[in-house]
Amino acid sequence: AQRVTQPEKLLSVFKGAPVELKCNYSYSGSPELFWYVQYSRQRLQLLLRHISRESIKGFTADLNKGETSFHLKKPFAQEEDSAMYYCALASGGYQKVTFGIGTKLQVIP
Amino acid sequence: DVKVTQSSRYLVKRTGEKVFLECVQDMDHENMFWYRQDPGLGLRLIYFSYDVKMKEKGDIPEGYSVSREKKERFSLILESASTNQTSMYLCASRQGGWDTQYFGPGTRLTVL
Repeated sequence: AQRVTQPEKLLSVFKGAPVELKCNYSYSGSPELFWYVQYSRQRLQLLLRHISRESIKGFTADLNKGETSFHLKKPFAQEEDSAMYYCALASGGYQKVTFGIGTKLQVIP
Repeated sequence: DVKVTQSSRYLVKRTGEKVFLECVQDMDHENMFWYRQDPGLGLRLIYFSYDVKMKEKGDIPEGYSVSREKKERFSLILESASTNQTSMYLCASRQGGWDTQYFGPGTRLTVL
C-alpha cells in the first residue's frame, strides 16, 4: 500500500525566514512525487514534480529515496506563500494518486 | 488550458437521498479521480478511473459508486446520502505518466 505522510498540519514562519515542508512516503516501487498548492478560494494546482527538478516560485524539492522523503524548501518565505500545501504520490499500473493530509503554511509579516 | 468542471459548487441534500456529482474534462485525459477534502484529513481518494467503463476503488469507497460512460465525464454517486458524507468533493483528471493532475473547483455537499 502507498502512503504519504505530512507530519505538520500547520507551519508558521516569519517573512524572509526559510521554509521546509516535510513529506515522507511509503511505496515499494518507483514513485512519482508532486507538491500541490491551494491558495485561499482557488483550485488545487501543481507546484512542482520531482521528475522536472525545477524551481517554481522559489520552491524546490529533492527526492531522497534512502529516507523516502520529498521535502519542499524555500530559502526566504514571502507573504504570498501562505496556502495549503499537499504532497502527492502517483504509482502503480493504474496510476493511483494519493495525497497527504496537507500542511497549512502561514507566513507572518 | 485544461478545464475540469463540476456540475455544482454547492449542494444541500437530505439524509437518504440519492446524490449525483458530475465532472467533465476537456483534454481527452485517460484518468479521472474523485476525492473528498476534509479539514485535518487532507484529500482522500474515493474512486478513480483509468479508462471508459473502468474503475478502481480508492482508499474510502464505502457509501459511494462511480460511473464513466464517456471519456470526458466521471460521475460520483451517493446511493443514500448520510450526514458523514458532508464534505468538499474534488474531481481531477490526468493523462498519466509524469503528468500533473488538473482539479475542478470542488462541490461543497451538505447532507442534512
